[in-house]
Amino acid sequence: NAGVTQTPKFRVLKTGQSMTLLCAQDMNHEYMYWYRQDPGMGLRLIHYSVGEGTTAKGEVPDGYNVSRLKKQNFLLGLESAAPSQTSVYFCASRNRDRTSTNEKLFFGSGTQLSVL
Amino acid sequence: SQQGEEDPQALSIQEGENATMNCSYKTSINNLQWYRQNSGRGLVHLILIRSNEREKHSGRLRVTLDTSKKSSSLLITASRAADTASYFCATVGYSTLTFGKGTMLLVSP
Repeated sequence: NAGVTQTPKFRVLKTGQSMTLLCAQDMNHEYMYWYRQDPGMGLRLIHYSVGEGTTAKGEVPDGYNVSRLKKQNFLLGLESAAPSQTSVYFCASRNRDRTSTNEKLFFGSGTQLSVL
Repeated sequence: SQQGEEDPQALSIQEGENATMNCSYKTSINNLQWYRQNSGRGLVHLILIRSNEREKHSGRLRVTLDTSKKSSSLLITASRAADTASYFCATVGYSTLTFGKGTMLLVSP
């Protein structure tokens, strides 16, 4: 099993350009998340999904959109990139079953995005 | 805003010593988790403690939870150079996990 796979791993954008980050998981997890990590700020939740076809806003959703058309994929879009979106982006997933110990998150290896 | 706040922000110890990190949070939780992040990598789950538990062990890890004080601590015993990483606590609500800013641990040989 690959676990959680993020593509691309690195990307440089110019201000105003758009791009989509792809997250794929092969663990049949219901819940998927997008976080951004900035120095000194820890991880902040951008958007999340509790199932196919559903999405919800997290702590810092402005400037991002997401889609969960298939259970295994969660896409994060930047329609018009800004320098403030320079960050490392992490995708994560987990089971929905809250009666077990399987509430832990499984993380991808991250996407380093620079917006010039 | 961040739910959990780790303390200290950075910790430097020698191999063989114990490392203790603390986490404080603000609202009620279902459970609290600790994660490790090696430089440039994704986070890896270490241990989960439920709101009705007070202490939990896993190998060299010991986690405590005090819901009355809204705090948790992670103890790593007999630290190794390979334990060098950032450590994050995450508080679990209904659907989401909220992470603190982390403690950077450096273990010197």
